[in-house]
Amino acid sequence: EVQVVESGGGLVQPGGSLRLSCATSGFTFSSYWMNWVRQAPGKGLEWVANINPDGSEKYYVDSVKGRFTISRDNAKNSLFLQMNSLRAEDTSVYYCVRDRTYYGTGTLDIWGQGTMVTVSS
Amino acid sequence: QSALTQPASVSGSPGQSITISCTGTSSDVGSYNLVSWYQQHPGKAPKLMIYEGSKRPSGVSNRFSGSKSGNTASLTISGLQAEDEADYYCCSYAGSSTSVFGGGTKLTVL
Repeated sequence: EVQVVESGGGLVQPGGSLRLSCATSGFTFSSYWMNWVRQAPGKGLEWVANINPDGSEKYYVDSVKGRFTISRDNAKNSLFLQMNSLRAEDTSVYYCVRDRTYYGTGTLDIWGQGTMVTVSS
Repeated sequence: QSALTQPASVSGSPGQSITISCTGTSSDVGSYNLVSWYQQHPGKAPKLMIYEGSKRPSGVSNRFSGSKSGNTASLTISGLQAEDEADYYCCSYAGSSTSVFGGGTKLTVL
C-alpha cells in the first residue's frame, strides 16, 4: 500500500523554527518528485516547494524563499521541510505530496493526511 | 505566482451537471496542458480527480471530466451525487517546476 505520513508539526513562536518529516512506503521514493503543499485554516491549498528525485533541484513559492528548505533522504524514503523565521501566516496544515510526473509538472497523486503547524506567541 | 481564479461556490441538484471554471494567465494555464483538479472533503486530504487537463486517474468516475480553452480550464461533473459535495481545487504548472493552485470552489448538492 502506498503511504505518506507527515510528522513534526506543532506550536512555535514567531521567528522560531520547525522541521517537518514525511515517511513514505509502498513506492520507489527515489524515482519521484516530492512536494509540500499547505492549507491555512479555512483557506485554500498553496503549493510550497518541491524537490527532484535525486535532490539536486529545489523550487519554492516566493513567500517562503530564504526561510524554508526542502530536502530528502532516499536511503530512508523520507522527505523533510526545514522552516525557519516562522511567521503567523505560515500557520497551516502541511501536506507531503508525490508528483507522478517525470518532470515534476504538478500532477499530485499521493497525499498524506497532513501535519498542523501553528505559529503564535 | 498569483493564485488561479475559481468561483467561490457552485450548486446543483442530484442528477444535474455543473461546471467549475479556473482562470489563469498565459504564463500558467494558457501555456501548458498541465491543469489538475482535486476534490477535498471536510477534514480530509485532497484527492486527484483530473490531470493533464482531461485525464482521469484509475478509479475516478467518468462523471468527472476536464477541458481547457485559452487561459481557462474547466471541471464538469455530470449526474451529480450527494457524495460529490466537497471543495474542488484546480492547479496548473507555472513553469520552472513550480505550480499554482486556484482559490477553491465549494460545491453544494441541493
